Amino acid sequence: KNQVEQSPQSLIILEGKNCTLQCNYTVSPFSNLRWYKQDTGRGPVSLTIMTFSENTKSNGRYTATLDADTKQSSLHITASQLSDSASYICVVSPDRGSTLGRLYFGRGTQLTVWP
Amino acid sequence: GAVVSQHPSWVICKSGTSVKIECRSLDFQATTMFWYRQFPKQSLMLMATSNEGSKATYEQGVEKDKFLINHASLTLSTLTVTSAHPEDSSFYICMNGGGRSYNSPLHFGNGTRLTVT
Repeated sequence: KNQVEQSPQSLIILEGKNCTLQCNYTVSPFSNLRWYKQDTGRGPVSLTIMTFSENTKSNGRYTATLDADTKQSSLHITASQLSDSASYICVVSPDRGSTLGRLYFGRGTQLTVWP
Repeated sequence: GAVVSQHPSWVICKSGTSVKIECRSLDFQATTMFWYRQFPKQSLMLMATSNEGSKATYEQGVEKDKFLINHASLTLSTLTVTSAHPEDSSFYICMNGGGRSYNSPLHFGNGTRLTVT
């Protein structure tokens, strides 16, 4: 069964601290993995996208890693800011065709950054 | 990148009425639009795939007569929740796709919070 599991479910950190969010998946075949940030009441916004051949990708203070062998990904946030408070969603795509196919969404990690 | 404009951002309606949600692709002609529903603390659940000029494809368990999808042009897709009931209260999000590489960024609308009283 294709699944995407994220941990922790929620996380509270102090402003300025770093944190790491985890995503484990069983989706097969695997095409790419995306991390999204979703503010409350808003649509998800893309942070990173990695294909099976990529191990790491950065976007500002966000760094995502991917181990396609163990089917694990992490999202590391450095020097957290209050505006980082949001839900972070891991999305896995199994298709490698020319068009977008079914996507598998994790439930997200709710991050709260306190001043 | 492509931007998806979704309206309204929130709506409150009485049970039994219908609500229309619009999603427009502002700088990309989306032959395909995906409609999702998200309950609190849950992941996005695909409801249907909307294809321009043809009938939408609904996921198992989603009533096509209740959730009417129209994709009459390459830039506009609409979802109408007919005879809404309180259990339809949820966050509805559209996402454009189709015609893109499988590795292209995905663009979501900002969502519509539907509350049925």
